[in-house]
Amino acid sequence: AQTVTQSQPEMSVQEAETVTLSCTYDTSENNYYLFWYKQPPSRQMILVIRQEAYKQQNATENRFSVNFQKAAKSFSLKISDSQLGDTAMYFCAFMFRNEKLTFGTGTRLTIIP
Amino acid sequence: EAGVAQSPRYKIIEKRQSVAFWCNPISGHATLYWYQQILGQGPKLLIQFQNNGVVDDSQLPKDRFSAERLKGVDSTLKIQPAKLEDSAVYLCASSSYLTSGHEQFFGPGTRLTVL
Repeated sequence: AQTVTQSQPEMSVQEAETVTLSCTYDTSENNYYLFWYKQPPSRQMILVIRQEAYKQQNATENRFSVNFQKAAKSFSLKISDSQLGDTAMYFCAFMFRNEKLTFGTGTRLTIIP
Repeated sequence: EAGVAQSPRYKIIEKRQSVAFWCNPISGHATLYWYQQILGQGPKLLIQFQNNGVVDDSQLPKDRFSAERLKGVDSTLKIQPAKLEDSAVYLCASSSYLTSGHEQFFGPGTRLTVL
């Protein structure tokens, strides 16, 4: 069974700074997908960024980028120029073939004005 | 495009009572998921439908939970009887591989409190 570990329950950073959220996972599979989802307070969960395991190039979406280390089974999220609207719970998630998402326990990120 | 709709948004019941949640996915999305999110944890899949067929219900407590998606569109999740440990947010999500790959779109959730 796949597991996803987020070792940082809470983080805070000053507005405009850069922050990195950590995620590790365990799987014996070779082809899979990794995601970062954002859950703002009292709002629904939305996709931030995704990474296909067969792609060596790290995914980027505007201010959001990942550092995908397949051999180390590590998938960290970097948020550059952080904004107040980035305050949310961030979940790392794993998907293999059958489209079931396995989530980590989340990191609560607070952006300080 | 309208998002995933869920109702009710909040529900408070006493243990041993029954409760039902409703979900309407994004139009055209063949795959529908129900997740349980206990406070302080990540969402856990309860059941996955492909059209009106069940793909995965391995983590659904079938002695008390049931779900259906009769016409391959909207879905209901029922708990009967409820226990204290069922207090959680119940999230519905939908996806369409053809239009958006593996991205799942989530509804706002139903927050259930069992007293």
